Amino acid sequence: QLQLQESGPGLVKPSETLSLTCGVSGYSISRGYTWGWIRQPPGKGLEWIGYIYHSGSTYYNPSLKSRVTILVDTSKNQFSLNLSSVTAADTAVYYCARYSSGSYFFDYWGQGTLVTVSS
Amino acid sequence: QSVLTQPPSVSAAPGQKVTISCSGSSSNIGNNYVSWYQQFPGTAPKLLIYENNKRLSGIPDRFSGSKSGTSATLGITGLQTGDEADYYCGTWDNSLNTGVFGGGTKLTVL
Repeated sequence: QLQLQESGPGLVKPSETLSLTCGVSGYSISRGYTWGWIRQPPGKGLEWIGYIYHSGSTYYNPSLKSRVTILVDTSKNQFSLNLSSVTAADTAVYYCARYSSGSYFFDYWGQGTLVTVSS
Repeated sequence: QSVLTQPPSVSAAPGQKVTISCSGSSSNIGNNYVSWYQQFPGTAPKLLIYENNKRLSGIPDRFSGSKSGTSATLGITGLQTGDEADYYCGTWDNSLNTGVFGGGTKLTVL
């Protein structure tokens, strides 16, 4: 059974870089599919961040593109999210998920991790 | 302000049927597949419906999806108290060049 698990610091200072990793088990990333990130500010709705192909090609939400980097490490079967120059507005639960880029849906999700931006 | 518009809340009695609408435009729903997610408090969203009307394996047939023009609808029949959750629609927007979600609808089973 495919499972995803986010990991990373729960607290990041303003202007610094938020870094999260998503470990994938039960499926080899190198086999294919795309892998994405979504976030949800406390009490609010979902926001699409971006995704990466197993080959390393990426696609980002234009509103975040200047600050986002998604990388894949097939040797460790994981992918990561870096979000630079964070502010309090970036405080959210961050989810990683498997994405069907042809049909635009996320089918397997991690449990999510809360990242708070505060000094 | 979400690109896809959902009612903030809907409610119905146990055993009844409810529909949740998701309104968009030709740049998103009108030309792309729609998916629906269920989210309980403190947990990750769970995919219910993909490609407009296909149920993920294991999802009861009480849940259904449909699309017409620039709007999509999630239907739930035989409501149970365990269906109380937030529901989100999602798709791709060709003008914004990004994935988009609706603002979410809170379902209350009275």
